[in-house]
Amino acid sequence: GAVVSQHPSWVICKSGTSVKIECRSLDFQATTMFWYRQFPKQSLMLMATSNEGSKATYEQGVEKDKFLINHASLTLSTLTVTSAHPEDSSFYICSAHPGLALDEQFFGPGTRLTVL
Amino acid sequence: QKEVEQNSGPLSVPEGAIASLNCTYSDRVSQSFFWYRQYSGKSPELIMSIYSNGDKEDGRFTAQLNKASQYVSLLIRDSQPSDSATYLCAVGADGLTFGKGTHLIIQP
Repeated sequence: GAVVSQHPSWVICKSGTSVKIECRSLDFQATTMFWYRQFPKQSLMLMATSNEGSKATYEQGVEKDKFLINHASLTLSTLTVTSAHPEDSSFYICSAHPGLALDEQFFGPGTRLTVL
Repeated sequence: QKEVEQNSGPLSVPEGAIASLNCTYSDRVSQSFFWYRQYSGKSPELIMSIYSNGDKEDGRFTAQLNKASQYVSLLIRDSQPSDSATYLCAVGADGLTFGKGTHLIIQP
């Protein structure tokens, strides 16, 4: 159990375009999902916390108008990178949290974004 | 600002030996601690979680937590070449704060 999927697994786009990444919890309901970003040889950095039915909470330094997050259901959160630029190229990973205190997060397989 | 510190390595351990990975954290009120394994190009995979002081064992893995010292460790017994990966220490109850990871190499 506790499977999280992401789509697409990789994407290459031109500078200025928008890219949408989907994160789904396949066998449990996730009241909270998280979006992380990992640059090469760096650790995961939390970008935002996504709660079903409410606005996402962004970490300091993350532009909310650039990284749009929608958590419309208990099994789906989407991250849209708007007007992507080469510096947005990174490994984007989502995780899902069943919602109980101290519960473990389950990570998706990640999406490799390359902006040309 | 919450910080999680790990020695980046690489840590080289002979096959069959014990690998010891260490982590310190800055947020004294942290309650949840996790060790993840990450292979190159892949997302993190949960190895262990620990919430109380002391040791927690799961197969070849033992996590140790000392909240007074703000210190978490992971021991891997009978190390195998397949254990070669980057091990990430993470702290937090919601959004996790990750260390930069320790690159572990198990030498056959």
